[in-house]
Amino acid sequence: SAVISQKPSRDICQRGTSLTIQCQVDSQVTMMFWYRQQPGQSLTLIATANQGSEATYESGFVIDKFPISRPNLTFSTLTVSNMSPEDSSIYLCSVGQGRTVARYEQYFGPGTRLTVT
Amino acid sequence: TQLLEQSPQFLSIQEGENLTVYCNSSSVFSSLQWYRQEPGEGPVLLVTVVTGGEVKKLKRLTFQFGDARKDSSLHITAAQPGDTGLYLCAGAGGTASKLTFGTGTRLQVTL
Repeated sequence: SAVISQKPSRDICQRGTSLTIQCQVDSQVTMMFWYRQQPGQSLTLIATANQGSEATYESGFVIDKFPISRPNLTFSTLTVSNMSPEDSSIYLCSVGQGRTVARYEQYFGPGTRLTVT
Repeated sequence: TQLLEQSPQFLSIQEGENLTVYCNSSSVFSSLQWYRQEPGEGPVLLVTVVTGGEVKKLKRLTFQFGDARKDSSLHITAAQPGDTGLYLCAGAGGTASKLTFGTGTRLQVTL
């Protein structure tokens, strides 16, 4: 399975500012995903980031708020823009691997814990 | 929209007890995965079940995929404090690359 790292691991930010989270993978992958996990909750998919194309956002998430870059097959960034306290969450990136739908699995980075004051 | 409901939501047990976590949906999934997440870390994949009725064992953990591929269970025998964490099921289906995550079960095992 792929080894995934994220930077920063945590940050405390003031409202109105923006934070860019980096996700680095040790191998080339086609599919990368960004999730949000609010305290004590399950994971909510923000968007799917494919190299060479625009990210695909889930309902409730928009590009102006969460711009994503995917410049190559091993790296992606997620920016949380114009932050408010409601954006305080853990942000996770993951990569998908598998040859078939049934065998498709995702592997996660350690997450970025964001607190907005 | 595919939804996966997990039960129970919270579980606090003593070391040595057995427990079962359920993951239910009205949708059919191509496969179902179970993850465990510890505080400060990302979810770690435990197992993937693919075939309806499939049973997989991972040491003291037993995973079952329902015959209709709509539900799954995780049974832990003789729980240990190291089993403490958030357990998440996730279904693959529909759009091939996306997973639908369950609501989560937070397990605490005390001495």
